[in-house]
Amino acid sequence: DIVMTQSPDSLAVSLGERATINCKSSQSVLYSSDNKNYLAWYQQKPGQPPKLLIYWASTRESGVPDRFSGSGSGTDFTLTISSLQAEDVAVYYCQQHYSTSITFGQGTRLEIK
Amino acid sequence: QITLKESGPTLVKPTQTLTLTCTFSGFSLSTSGVGVGWVRQPPGKALEWLALIYWNDDKRYRPSLKSRLTITKDTSKNQVVLTMTNMDPVDTATYYCALRPIAGNNWFDPWGQGTLVTVSS
Repeated sequence: DIVMTQSPDSLAVSLGERATINCKSSQSVLYSSDNKNYLAWYQQKPGQPPKLLIYWASTRESGVPDRFSGSGSGTDFTLTISSLQAEDVAVYYCQQHYSTSITFGQGTRLEIK
Repeated sequence: QITLKESGPTLVKPTQTLTLTCTFSGFSLSTSGVGVGWVRQPPGKALEWLALIYWNDDKRYRPSLKSRLTITKDTSKNQVVLTMTNMDPVDTATYYCALRPIAGNNWFDPWGQGTLVTVSS
């Protein structure tokens, strides 16, 4: 299995400040035939199911605010929230779908400082 | 509008078999490229992918649980069923079903609300 490791496990950021969450895969999730990274990001608010934010590492899902952005390639990826809003308090997960055995990171809890 | 909803028992005893049903609307599992997956989340813990079934009846399972899992679909009823045998207290979790919307890309969107299954005698 491809192991996905997120850092940090938890993060406290002031409103309006930048939040950065990292995700590292144990092997590359860049598919050479289409040059796409098979990496998605989800947001899970308390008591709710996960919501897809970003796929192909950097493509925002329709309706996701543009303060959310994804970057990275190969094995190292980042989710950035450019200006933290109160409604962004959640746990964030990365997921690889390069392998048919899908794996998620352990999650990063984002709170307001 | 695409919706998915999980249903099944809230409490099962150890060694029993769990059967969960995902009933969906807004898409057809006979459409090329489409799939439905199951993901679980133990209380306070991370997401764990379990199984995925595709429009062509191809199936994928989490390797560590493959011997215990079976996923099937009933296209006419818009349902996907997951069975897990030999349940154990460590299998206590919220079980989600979710749509895999695009061929060749196994991300999930949207998800059902989930159903909490407790394994206890």
